Amino acid sequence: DADVTQTPRNRITKTGKRIMLECSQTKGHDRMYWYRQDPGLGLRLIYYSFDVKDINKGEISDGYSVSRQAQAKFSLSLESAIPNQTALYFCATSEGGLSSYEQYFGPGTRLTVT
Amino acid sequence: AQSVTQLGSHVSVSEGALVLLRCNYSSSVPPYLFWYVQYPNQGLQLLLKYTSAATLVKGINGFEAEFKKSETSFHLTKPSAHMSDAAEYFCAVRLIQGAQKLVFGQGTRLTINP
Repeated sequence: DADVTQTPRNRITKTGKRIMLECSQTKGHDRMYWYRQDPGLGLRLIYYSFDVKDINKGEISDGYSVSRQAQAKFSLSLESAIPNQTALYFCATSEGGLSSYEQYFGPGTRLTVT
Repeated sequence: AQSVTQLGSHVSVSEGALVLLRCNYSSSVPPYLFWYVQYPNQGLQLLLKYTSAATLVKGINGFEAEFKKSETSFHLTKPSAHMSDAAEYFCAVRLIQGAQKLVFGQGTRLTINP
């Protein structure tokens, strides 16, 4: 089984709808991240969480919110979806501490807002 | 603020030829540097990382990269391209101190010609 899973893998929704993307991990990592990927822009950080009580905004948090329900679960919500939120969304995890280097990525959720 | 620039959004090489993907970073303090690969319809996978040890770093699938502080570069190379190397490649930087956020370049799509 995959260490970092995302649901759904694909979603089409209409403008104005609320949608939630979910991420679960079995790696036992404290830190979790949400990114979006757009062609030609690479990955940009939306939100990150260093533990259940520590949630921080990334560079493009407007229009998004997150919830860290448990160490293993980190959800991303679009309160009122708009077409320019159409993108590929990735969840990632990492260990805590300065000696941790690598982030581990889920398979992604392709979101289309019509 | 740190940033990453990947020169060339698309690179095309023949099978068996040298692969060179360029990455330059800007950071006021020494960073950690990473190369990730994304195969079609998959998440990101770590190829290699520089964490202030040896400046020449070897990764998976025959790839390697050299950290050159004087040139603020971390170019990715592979002596002989294989068809299975076709993918999108992302360079990323993370400051050693402070929040463990990755900043990604815009990505380079590598095409291998038979």
